[in-house]
Amino acid sequence: NAGVTQTPKFRVLKTGQSMTLLCAQDMNHEYMYWYRQDPGMGLRLIHYSVGEGTTAKGEVPDGYNVSRLKKQNFLLGLESAAPSQTSVYFCASTNPYALADADTQYFGPGTRLTVL
Amino acid sequence: LAKTTQPISMDSYEGQEVNITCSHNNIATNDYITWYQQFPSQGPRFIIQGYKTKVTNEVASLFIPADRKSSTLSLPRVSLSDTAVYYCLPTLSSGSARQLTFGSGTQLTVLP
Repeated sequence: NAGVTQTPKFRVLKTGQSMTLLCAQDMNHEYMYWYRQDPGMGLRLIHYSVGEGTTAKGEVPDGYNVSRLKKQNFLLGLESAAPSQTSVYFCASTNPYALADADTQYFGPGTRLTVL
Repeated sequence: LAKTTQPISMDSYEGQEVNITCSHNNIATNDYITWYQQFPSQGPRFIIQGYKTKVTNEVASLFIPADRKSSTLSLPRVSLSDTAVYYCLPTLSSGSARQLTFGSGTQLTVLP
């Protein structure tokens, strides 16, 4: 049981390039989230998904797109990277129907992205 | 979205008890309070969750007064390894989708 994994761990992009971050969870969780965390700041929600095939915007969705084609995977895409998107990206998942820890978020290790 | 307020930073010494208070004036009736811990270069991890009064687990206690407008995370006998950022978060008990808003958290520094 690996929990939540993220690929890649580090990436450097040039302005205008595109890339996709992959989040995978093996806990059969319904909900998945993408956050970004800038230095010295808390986490800000980018997009989230409440089930396979559904996504919704969070607090800071501009410049990002997401897809949830399979329940266990949640992809975050940057179509045209900008230096303002330099950040650490965290993925999380929850099981909202769990009796003991409903809505407790399980986080991945993060992806450190630098856009030059 | 429910908004929380926490101290930006706290210092403590090894072996002391640390209490971190979070205010959440507009918490919803169905919300629990969840606390997370984050070490540098890692994602946050769950510490403790409660609804009212007191909850205790192997690492912490959580005190929530009757009006539920605040909560206090208590860490007994902290060690250097407890140096981290701590976040409090109103959390819906189950079912509905919601946006979970992390504030800036409290940076706890444990000194030798």
